[in-house]
Amino acid sequence: GEDVEQSLFLSVREGDSSVINCTYTDSSSTYLYWYKQEPGAGLQLLTYIFSNMDMKQDQRLTVLLNKKDKHLSLRIADTQTGDSAIYFCAETRYSTLTFGKGTMLLVSP
Amino acid sequence: EAGVAQSPRYKIIEKRQSVAFWCNPISGHATLYWYQQILGQGPKLLIQFQNNGVVDDSQLPKDRFSAERLKGVDSTLKIQPAKLEDSAVYLCASSLENSGGAFFGQGTRLTVV
Repeated sequence: GEDVEQSLFLSVREGDSSVINCTYTDSSSTYLYWYKQEPGAGLQLLTYIFSNMDMKQDQRLTVLLNKKDKHLSLRIADTQTGDSAIYFCAETRYSTLTFGKGTMLLVSP
Repeated sequence: EAGVAQSPRYKIIEKRQSVAFWCNPISGHATLYWYQQILGQGPKLLIQFQNNGVVDDSQLPKDRFSAERLKGVDSTLKIQPAKLEDSAVYLCASSLENSGGAFFGQGTRLTVV
């Protein structure tokens, strides 16, 4: 199975908050990342968190890291229809990036 | 700053044919990655270069896939011969360091028929 686990689908209404969750396996991962992929496009680096941090906020994005449970989450405040995409969690393992299967976020008006 | 450039954007070939993809990373980025993304899945690392040396190619099917990064800049990924299951998007990415965030190109969508 996948080393990085994510729920496959999330549906929210425009203006609500979205929370996308991820669990990873390598406790020695130094960085954890969130990427966004729109249809037909490559992956866009959204944000990342260093492993000695618990939280990072970047405009509408908040990343929470629970190292004890190896749990990472991405919260998107005031979700917009333009946020509809697939979101990938990634960890650094042995100096390489390992991705989950992605969470499809659908934002309805 | 220019992003990661890949070509071609799309390619359709018959099984058993050969195909090559090209990648030009962001200037100054020492680390270059090739990922394979099959529809509905996350990207899977095929090979990682640090300058022109290979860091990780453990998931590269070496009987049919090859990659090189001459002079530590551009890279090519080749498939010979292609199989139906090679149909996927091939993503190139680069980063400043091994553990830094990687920046991706638009990808090459390969269809093997």
